[in-house]
Amino acid sequence: EPEVTQTPSHQVTQMGQEVILRCVPISNHLYFYWYRQILGQKVEFLVSFYNNEISEKSEIFDDQFSVERPDGSNFTLKIRSTKLEDSAMYFCASIAGQGNTYEQYFGPGTRLTVT
Amino acid sequence: AQSVTQPDIHITVSEGASLELRCNYSYGATPYLFWYVQSPGQGLQLLLKYFSGDTLVQGIKGFEAEFKRSQSSFNLRKPSVHWSDAAEYFCAVGARSGGYQKVTFGTGTKLQVIP
Repeated sequence: EPEVTQTPSHQVTQMGQEVILRCVPISNHLYFYWYRQILGQKVEFLVSFYNNEISEKSEIFDDQFSVERPDGSNFTLKIRSTKLEDSAMYFCASIAGQGNTYEQYFGPGTRLTVT
Repeated sequence: AQSVTQPDIHITVSEGASLELRCNYSYGATPYLFWYVQSPGQGLQLLLKYFSGDTLVQGIKGFEAEFKRSQSSFNLRKPSVHWSDAAEYFCAVGARSGGYQKVTFGTGTKLQVIP
């Protein structure tokens, strides 16, 4: 079964550093998402991306965050200058957006630790 | 905007006992509904989903959920719980807006299974 993959599985960075989290969505999917889960809390929507632009973003997704689909397969989330409160699990998801299937397929997540 | 309420933060059941996890949603149209399970430090595994049709949906690992429009509920059930079911369970609602879907998660219910 096709799956969403994410790298790295765990990233440790120092406060103020830039990080790039990578995702490879399912190949024929059209809509892409990033979610965040702070330890012990619920999963929160960050941003959705379609047709090479942001469709919607949450209040969390401020100017420190950006997303990009640099080629036909990768979907990245960049945090420009990390803060301690960015420590969380980050999930990528994709959806076909065609036909009658509306299921979001989630990746295994990247655990980001900011020290 | 859609929202999800999981009123039980923590539930303890004995192995072999039945289980019901509550979920109420708020959404203006017919929602897409999901239940995910998450083990500590792990990603999200889809248990089951409701898009349309039969309101009683079967999922993996012996779980089922019933969509009740009149009560805005989508409770998760299992007739006999196994120790391996101990995990956190998230109910989620998907809204279709502008051709894409954003998923909103509840705060989760932690399930403890005692021998």
